[in-house]
Amino acid sequence: EAGVAQSPRYKIIEKRQSVAFWCNPISGHATLYWYQQILGQGPKLLIQFQNNGVVDDSQLPKDRFSAERLKGVDSTLKIQPAKLEDSAVYLCASSLDVGTEETQYFGPGTRLLVL
Amino acid sequence: SQKIEQNSEALNIQEGKTATLTCNYTNYSPAYLQWYRQDPGRGPVFLLLIRENEKEKRKERLKVTFDTTLKQSLFHITASQPADSATYLCALVRYGGSQGNLIFGKGTKLSVKP
Repeated sequence: EAGVAQSPRYKIIEKRQSVAFWCNPISGHATLYWYQQILGQGPKLLIQFQNNGVVDDSQLPKDRFSAERLKGVDSTLKIQPAKLEDSAVYLCASSLDVGTEETQYFGPGTRLLVL
Repeated sequence: SQKIEQNSEALNIQEGKTATLTCNYTNYSPAYLQWYRQDPGRGPVFLLLIRENEKEKRKERLKVTFDTTLKQSLFHITASQPADSATYLCALVRYGGSQGNLIFGKGTKLSVKP
């Protein structure tokens, strides 16, 4: 079974530029998550989708971050404009369904450096 | 506000010994707690889930305990091996968040020396 795919793996941009990350979850997984992991910290949830609808985006900085999952499969996360403090690893995860005990499967992440 | 703390940033042990990692939480009584392993440059990998009504859970060389009175979970790796070297994260469902909305600790970096 293929895992969660993410691209690109690395990205270097200058502040105020825009950037987009792509995620392809495990086939058949209805729930998709985007996390931000700053160096030395645990992952922090940004947004959670159930199929193509948003379940929870309470921790997404909506003035600069946006995400979509138009057809309920792939998802993109965008930052515009980027700030220095956005330097982090952006992790995508998926689970079969939304539920209290659903296992989340993580992709390898996209490492973003904002200069 | 809800907090989750992993007391040790790093833990160094000798091969064959038992590693014990601690996860404490405050201001919340979660229904369950999860443990993940994260290797450098990779995403976290789920290891174990323990429910509030379970005192202990085992999987091969791994053992997790959950003390809701102390608000603490302990994660043990017995007969540790250098291949167990990684960062271990504990996670709880965020209070007031959606199902699946996890809060992660900062992690404990375990190094097992041969």
